[in-house]
Parts: sequence; C-alpha cells; structure tokens
Amino acid sequence: EVQLVESGGGLVQPGGSLRLSCAASGFTFSSYWMHWVRQAPGKGLVWVSRINSDGSSTSYADSVKGRFTISRDNAKNTLYLQMNSLRAEDTAVYYCARGRWLQSWGQGTLVTVSS
Amino acid sequence: DIVMTQTPLSLSVTPGQPASISCKSSQSLLHSDGKTYLYWYLQKPGQPPQLLIYEVSNRFSGVPDRFSGSGSGTDFTLKISRVEAEDVGVYYCMQSIQLPWTFGQGTKVEIK
Repeated sequence: EVQLVESGGGLVQPGGSLRLSCAASGFTFSSYWMHWVRQAPGKGLVWVSRINSDGSSTSYADSVKGRFTISRDNAKNTLYLQMNSLRAEDTAVYYCARGRWLQSWGQGTLVTVSS
Repeated sequence: DIVMTQTPLSLSVTPGQPASISCKSSQSLLHSDGKTYLYWYLQKPGQPPQLLIYEVSNRFSGVPDRFSGSGSGTDFTLKISRVEAEDVGVYYCMQSIQLPWTFGQGTKVEIK
C-alpha cells in the first residue's frame, strides 16, 4: 500500500523557517517525481514545487521561488521542503504527492505563519 | 500561467441523478506528444485530494465507472452518471502541460 506521511508543520513567526518531510513507503520512491501542493484554510489547491526522480531537477511556483527548496533522499525514501522567510500567506496545509498524475497524496501537515 | 475555470462552483444533486462539471483552460492542453494533460481530483471532506481521471478521460485505478471525463483542447467535462452520497466533496481540474501546474477553483458537490 502506498503511504505518504508528512511531518514538520507547526506555528512559526513571519520571517522564520520550517522544514517539512514526507516519508514514503509502499512503492519505489526513487522512480517517481514528487510534488508539494498547498491549501490555505478554506481555499483551493495550489501547486508549490516538484523534483525529479534523482533530485537533479526542481521547479517552483513564483510565489515561493528563492524562499523554498525541495529536495529528496532516495536512500531514506523521504521528500523535503525547506521553507525560509515565511510569510502569513504561506499559511496552509502542505501535501506531498506522487508522480506526474499526482496519483497519491499524503494527509498533509499544517503550517501556520503568525506572530 | 494557464488559468483553469470551473463551472459551476457549487452543485446540489439528488442521489441517483447525473451531475456535470465544466473546466475550461486559458490555453490548449494538447501537447505535441499527442497527450492532453488534464486531470480531475475529488477532495472529500477532511481528506486529501484523490485522483479520479488522468489525461482527460482515463479513470484511475479503483475509480467507479460512474465517473467519466471528456473534452479536448481547452474545454473539458467531468460527468457522474448517478451521484451517490459518497461523491460529496470538492472537485478540481488541473493542468500539467505547463509550469506552474494550475488547478481550477473547485466545484463543491452536495447531496440534496
């Protein structure tokens, strides 16, 4: 069974940093592109970032470019999102998702940016 | 960015009746490889999104056959042939032909 489990969310002050993790199991992690998608409270889905299977290629939404860094450790079957210079508008549930179809999603981790 | 526009934004359906959601993109989603990169997701209350349809009309594994997708170019439709109580939630279309990948605003489906 495919499982994606996010962690690392929490309350952080504006300007602060957080590192999200997504632990993957039930599939060959190193074979799949992976993504982060976020959802602000009561709002729709917004694609944030993606990384290719070996970690050599990454892409970002303009709203997070230069502040967020996606990475992965295929030996640990784990995806990461390093979030720096956080803003109030980054408050959201962050989901990791698998593959070019976003065919599997984790349950999400809530990031709240507030003073 | 490609803008994805869904209509209606909400839908109230009697169980057993059909439902239809439209999704229009601001640019063609037909790639030179012949594929059209349009997807449909359902987010049930309190749950993460789940993939229903990939590349316009292909049902994902385990998706009931009452769900069907159609369309081409910039106009797409998700149809539910007979709505069931478990189909409530918010439906999103998404394009992945061009970065950034973008979602529609979502269509909330409820049961009458």
